[in-house]
Amino acid sequence: GESVGLHLPTLSVQEGDNSIINCAYSNSASDYFIWYKQESGKGPQFIIDIRSNMDKRQGQRVTVLLNKTVKHLSLQIAATQPGDSAVYFCAENNAGNMLTFGGGTRLMVKP
Amino acid sequence: GAVVSQHPSWVICKSGTSVKIECRSLDFQATTMFWYRQFPKQSLMLMATSNEGSKATYEQGVEKDKFLINHASLTLSTLTVTSAHPEDSSFYICSASAGVNPQVYNEQFFGPGTRLTVL
Repeated sequence: GESVGLHLPTLSVQEGDNSIINCAYSNSASDYFIWYKQESGKGPQFIIDIRSNMDKRQGQRVTVLLNKTVKHLSLQIAATQPGDSAVYFCAENNAGNMLTFGGGTRLMVKP
Repeated sequence: GAVVSQHPSWVICKSGTSVKIECRSLDFQATTMFWYRQFPKQSLMLMATSNEGSKATYEQGVEKDKFLINHASLTLSTLTVTSAHPEDSSFYICSASAGVNPQVYNEQFFGPGTRLTVL
């Protein structure tokens, strides 16, 4: 079936370095993608989104890149801070108003 | 704006009992609410979608008689886990959307989740 998945379950980075979290999706018809941050014991928090007619979108310290050719999505976090430590999920809008979540990557920031 | 709350934030119950979890949209009318389940170190899995005033649509593999969903108003949806068992222990998260067209994506606002532990 269609799915959204991640390459790395855990990413450890030094404070101040840039982080790159990757996501692969398989539904070529998907046209909207979202990155969420989830801290322990909390619900997902919206970070940034991108539509399929774009290949890059920037926010504050975050950038999302979309490569439709290889069905790959990435989240780049600049100057990673301890507060960025969390699990990050990509989500894909496929059928109607529903979201399909990827497997998640845990980001650990070392001081 | 767009705040979604859940109550309780955590609950512990005995096996065989039923537990009700509430999801409220505090500052908007939620035409659609979604219920997700998240096991430890796993992703969010959609359980069901509910529209105000109509029956919920359950995902494949989710027992509708075990997970009762009621969306009686535009600001409240409830999930009742009936005859709970230890394997139902999980983190239950709701989201709410104000969109009126189910054929297109409308932003979902997520609640803080409810931790259910069944002894």
